[in-house]
Amino acid sequence: EIVMTQSPATLSVSPGERATLSCRASQSVSSSLAWYLQKPGQAPRLLIYAASTRATGIPGRFSGSGFGTEFTLTISSLQSEDFAVYYCQQYNNWPPLTFGGGTKVEIK
Amino acid sequence: QVQLVQSGAEVRKPGASVKVSCKASGYTFSSYGFSWVRQAPGQGLEWMGWISPYNGNTNYAQKLQGRVTMTTDTSTSTVYMELRSLRSDDTAVYYCARDLVVRGPSAYWGQGTLVTVSS
Repeated sequence: EIVMTQSPATLSVSPGERATLSCRASQSVSSSLAWYLQKPGQAPRLLIYAASTRATGIPGRFSGSGFGTEFTLTISSLQSEDFAVYYCQQYNNWPPLTFGGGTKVEIK
Repeated sequence: QVQLVQSGAEVRKPGASVKVSCKASGYTFSSYGFSWVRQAPGQGLEWMGWISPYNGNTNYAQKLQGRVTMTTDTSTSTVYMELRSLRSDDTAVYYCARDLVVRGPSAYWGQGTLVTVSS
């Protein structure tokens, strides 16, 4: 099973600032990496797939990068609606599909 | 537009079973697979398994093998997840999610179904 590790667990950022979230895989997942955003009481929403491709309707301030075992999600200028929990997921080698433990982005 | 509508909240006693449905619309049902993902209160996302409506193929999380069954009804474009021998730690919100591409990430999600297991 591929273990996904996200850091930090919590990130405190001021609105308008840049946020950088990390995701590490226990073995290579190539570029088969997705990022999701989840707000309280809502289902997750796909942000990024194939490590760097934005899903339909996702604004340009969200960008993903990385390959193999190291991945990054960058939010260039945080808006109020971006404060949420972010999960990474690998879909290269499954079952099982595996998620990271999540990074909570909170208002500083 | 793609929509996934799940059945309502359930309460079960330990040892019982629950069956959650997810009705899809807005696309060709058999063309994409579905995952079921659950989230215990205050916890992260846990993948439970995947099913192909095209041929019924399934993959289940090892820890749930023997307790979970996923099925589809192509006549109603509905996916089902049944979980048996329920325990208190099965209390969670259960989501169905449709692949972006077959066996890819989950692009569309249902609204979630809260299953509470309590004596």
